[in-house]
Amino acid sequence: DAGVIQSPRHEVTEMGQEVTLRCKPISGHDYLFWYRQTMMRGLELLIYFNNNVPIDDSGMPEDRFSAKMPNASFSTLKIQPSEPRDSAVYFCASSFPGRGIYGYTFGSGTRLTVV
Amino acid sequence: GESVGLHLPTLSVQEGDNSIINCAYSNSASDYFIWYKQESGKGPQFIIDIRSNMDKRQGQRVTVLLNKTVKHLSLQIAATQPGDSAVYFCAENIGGGSNYKLTFGKGTLLTVNP
Repeated sequence: DAGVIQSPRHEVTEMGQEVTLRCKPISGHDYLFWYRQTMMRGLELLIYFNNNVPIDDSGMPEDRFSAKMPNASFSTLKIQPSEPRDSAVYFCASSFPGRGIYGYTFGSGTRLTVV
Repeated sequence: GESVGLHLPTLSVQEGDNSIINCAYSNSASDYFIWYKQESGKGPQFIIDIRSNMDKRQGQRVTVLLNKTVKHLSLQIAATQPGDSAVYFCAENIGGGSNYKLTFGKGTLLTVNP
């Protein structure tokens, strides 16, 4: 298995631009999570999906952030418009609790820099 | 004043020594705990987990201890190697039904000196 795949690995964008981060979970995993990591706040859960349905988006900072999961093998996290304070590493993770796999498998992350 | 950022606890050990990394969790209802290792430039990697009905669990070179009375978790790494240098996070989950969210601690930076 290729693991959780995220793209791009690095993204540099100007303030005000739209940014889209992508994630392909492990095949068969029915839970998908988006986390953000910064030095200030550590790892924060933004949103998670179960069977492509958003379950908890209470961690999404504000309306500028949106996430979708159109099918079991793809999810996006969009920021529009982006701001410098959005600079962080964004991680996607997946799991399959139904098989007792409560631990997440994380992707390698997307390092976002907004200038 | 405003925080300027996380100041990670650090632990520096000599190669071959045993390491103990500690974590205090806040929610007495948490029933599942995981330790993750994060190397520079990579995502967190699962190391070992433990359920709240256990006090101890062992893996390869690692042992997790859980003290529910004081809400404390520790990770012991035997014969620490340079490749163990990383940031280590504990994570907790309340569970119960369909809640599979993990809440992560701030992390501890482990440096292994050759």
